[in-house]
Amino acid sequence: GAVVSQHPSRVICKSGTSVKIECRSLDFQATTMFWYRQFPKKSLMLMATSNEGSKATYEQGVEKDKFLINHASLTLSTLTVTSAHPEDSSFYICSAGGGQGRSSYEQYFGPGTRLTVT
Amino acid sequence: SQELEQSPQSLIVQEGKNLTINCTSSKTLYGLYWYKQKYGEGLIFLMMLQKGGEEKSHEKITAKLDEKKQQSSLHITASQPSHAGIYLCGAWTGNQFYFGTGTSLTVIP
Repeated sequence: GAVVSQHPSRVICKSGTSVKIECRSLDFQATTMFWYRQFPKKSLMLMATSNEGSKATYEQGVEKDKFLINHASLTLSTLTVTSAHPEDSSFYICSAGGGQGRSSYEQYFGPGTRLTVT
Repeated sequence: SQELEQSPQSLIVQEGKNLTINCTSSKTLYGLYWYKQKYGEGLIFLMMLQKGGEEKSHEKITAKLDEKKQQSSLHITASQPSHAGIYLCGAWTGNQFYFGTGTSLTVIP
């Protein structure tokens, strides 16, 4: 299967700072990337859908000014948590799919990023 | 949007026991995925079901999509501590992929 990476895998930041998480599709060009958030012992919640070259589509209840998503190229999407607070501490996972020769329903998940805000 | 409700929410079983996790959709499923995960770690793809009545097995895990395609069950036979984790079903709604509410499984040695 295709490879999707996330960086960093873990990050600790102070309250009030911003943190950027990268999601890269290493061996294919992804037209669509999804960002998910997970709290301990809970399921993965879809935050937003990111299409290359266009604005992200956010799910209801997700603050777009708080969670900035950029999908500037077919291999990279970034999630920036702005002015992070302890309640933003979570596990964030991205997935990538679509692209040339691939069904848009074929997606691959990154390994996740654990964010801790102190 | 499609809602995927999993039951039970959490499960504690003795090693060696069988168990079943259910995933019920509010809409017809055109493909249902099962994943296993531990919090803070990546997803492990288990299997995908597409056809009503389809059943797939991998080692001691069997999943089935019911005929009406609105429910799937995941059955683990002779559970082991290695089966512990969060089990997630997932499905596409239009161009978005959503996960079920999740089931946390604990296996006591």
